Amino acid sequence: DGGITQSPKYLFRKEGQNVTLSCEQNLNHDAMYWYRQDPGQGLRLIYYSQIVNDFQKGDIAEGYSVSREKKESFPLTVTSAQKNPTAFYLCASSIGRGGTGELFFGEGSRLTVL
Amino acid sequence: GQSLEQPSEVTAVEGAIVQINCTYQTSGFYGLSWYQHHDGGAPTFLSYNALDGLEETGRFSSFLSRSDSYGYLLLQELQMKDSASYFCAVRGGNDMRFGAGTRLTVKP
Repeated sequence: DGGITQSPKYLFRKEGQNVTLSCEQNLNHDAMYWYRQDPGQGLRLIYYSQIVNDFQKGDIAEGYSVSREKKESFPLTVTSAQKNPTAFYLCASSIGRGGTGELFFGEGSRLTVL
Repeated sequence: GQSLEQPSEVTAVEGAIVQINCTYQTSGFYGLSWYQHHDGGAPTFLSYNALDGLEETGRFSSFLSRSDSYGYLLLQELQMKDSASYFCAVRGGNDMRFGAGTRLTVKP
């Protein structure tokens, strides 16, 4: 089945450690996105990418990094510079330019910093 | 700046009709979308409006007024399974920005 796979579903990290969240899609979508969700808040855009080897910062990019070396993959690294990394992270993809811009989401990764 | 405003919570009974409003202020606008999100799952796309007017998809309808920077999602014949969070989102070009979400609780 086509879709988006995020891993791991749950992740625990010690303060000061970097951690990478995986996002893979087999929908042949050009665009991919990372969002963060905190309790009582909406989805805040961290980074997005419209094509391979290109990405742009969203509203809360500080303390995060991404890469887009392959069309199918858009991993997110939460660095030690992120002051409050405990959150639910959602990855999404879309066809890209044109159309409705409908996003297809993964089931999320919940990161807890101990 | 960019912002999307929607009510934080709505409660209704089974069989009723509920409307969730969304006002937006964004630097670019290509369309307004609505997503449903059940806790622990993946948000799913419900509807998209690029032009003014009402779009109907089964029990769900969505409306847009670009001149008022306003839209709403209308849910009819509510069912218990409709209890979820509903997000409006604006496509501003290459990105997609979301509101804070409205948690809908459907009671028997």
